[in-house]
Amino acid sequence: GAGVSQSPRYKVTKRGQDVALRCDPISGHVSLYWYRQALGQGPEFLTYFNYEAQQDKSGLPNDRFSAERPEGSISTLTIQRTEQRDSAMYRCASSLGQAHSGNTIYFGEGSWLTVV
Amino acid sequence: KNQVEQSPQSLIILEGKNCTLQCNYTVSPFSNLRWYKQDTGRGPVSLTIMTFSENTKSNGRYTATLDADTKQSSLHITASQLSDSASYICVGRAGNMLTFGGGTRLMVKP
Repeated sequence: GAGVSQSPRYKVTKRGQDVALRCDPISGHVSLYWYRQALGQGPEFLTYFNYEAQQDKSGLPNDRFSAERPEGSISTLTIQRTEQRDSAMYRCASSLGQAHSGNTIYFGEGSWLTVV
Repeated sequence: KNQVEQSPQSLIILEGKNCTLQCNYTVSPFSNLRWYKQDTGRGPVSLTIMTFSENTKSNGRYTATLDADTKQSSLHITASQLSDSASYICVGRAGNMLTFGGGTRLMVKP
């Protein structure tokens, strides 16, 4: 597709279950970012990749959160043993280059996660 | 630690009026600063991007300013329309790290 695609769009899961959120960036984009956004708040950085290499995971809240991008394209954000506080919109974004200024960042529509 | 703070948190104005949103940033090493508009339930859409050497940039009725000395940016909306009702998010970029402000929720009333 033309944009950043995320799936599922909506996910309701029971506390304690594992969830996997998928991001399909724009074809050819080098950098991929994961953000979490609570209702009424700005996005909170989680982690990002250049190609398949995870560059920074300092934003991951704890070790239940992990992300991978094994072939430098599609990425999966996995949350193990979900808790209610994990409920949020999880947004993925990608950009063409890994250089600094001027790269446009394209966001996906997000995956709404609700933990009950 | 990189930080971006926005004010006000929320704002209500009448259609046709102007308004200015503020952003204070501490982002190092500074690459650029963006303003995004985010409609409810949608992803952010870029309005402007400004680098260190740019003071003012316009996009239609939106005008962004950047003061690199005071590390402040503003977004001025002229002749507001009902469709301007959204959250406006200021984002500082340092390399490939994006730091988001908490946003200003703008409501334009008829």
